[in-house]
Amino acid sequence: DTEVTQTPKHLVMGMTNKKSLKCEQHMGHRAMYWYKQKAKKPPELMFVYSYEKLSINESVPSRFSPECPNSSLLNLHLHALQPEDSALYLCASSLEPHEQFFGPGTRLTVL
Amino acid sequence: DAKTTQPNSMESNEEEPVHLPCNHSTISGTDYIHWYRQLPSQGPEYVIHGLTSNVNNRMASLAIAEDRKSSTLILHRATLRDAAVYYCIPGGLMYSGGGADGLTFGKGTHLIIQP
Repeated sequence: DTEVTQTPKHLVMGMTNKKSLKCEQHMGHRAMYWYKQKAKKPPELMFVYSYEKLSINESVPSRFSPECPNSSLLNLHLHALQPEDSALYLCASSLEPHEQFFGPGTRLTVL
Repeated sequence: DAKTTQPNSMESNEEEPVHLPCNHSTISGTDYIHWYRQLPSQGPEYVIHGLTSNVNNRMASLAIAEDRKSSTLILHRATLRDAAVYYCIPGGLMYSGGGADGLTFGKGTHLIIQP
């Protein structure tokens, strides 16, 4: 299994909703990442987990809450989002730092 | 992080070689040069990386200038499937202190392949 899966593919939520994005990999990778990509812009790093511990938080607002329940799973909990948070949310994983494997992303729309 | 300069877009014909340039004049001595690409409606995909010597793999070749201030990604025979945004990303990307580094993407080059 050489892929990163992300669910759901699409998500529409209101500003008062609570939702979660899920990312899964079964490649034995020890680092997992969340990136955010606005339309026609490059991806921007949000969080990095190494060995299930949060190692990098790129000053992301607290309405985004990451969680790494085990070495194969990465969640992103969403609460009280704003319309400007609408974007493609990409998950990635890596065994060694140079080659990150990306999932197809979850396209989030906040109404 | 080192700043990169890439052309906004480039156009090439199918089955011809493509040379994608990247300037990274502020690169540090320990930074690797990574190339990723993003096909339409997909997540980014690793292409190749190198430190000082030229590198080849099944997807592409990476030519690194002797002073390491620039590099060129070479696609030897472009196909329509190679149409994507190509990102040049310098970085150490070491696992240090138990942590891993993420990628810092620049604007990239939009490669258009004509049939």
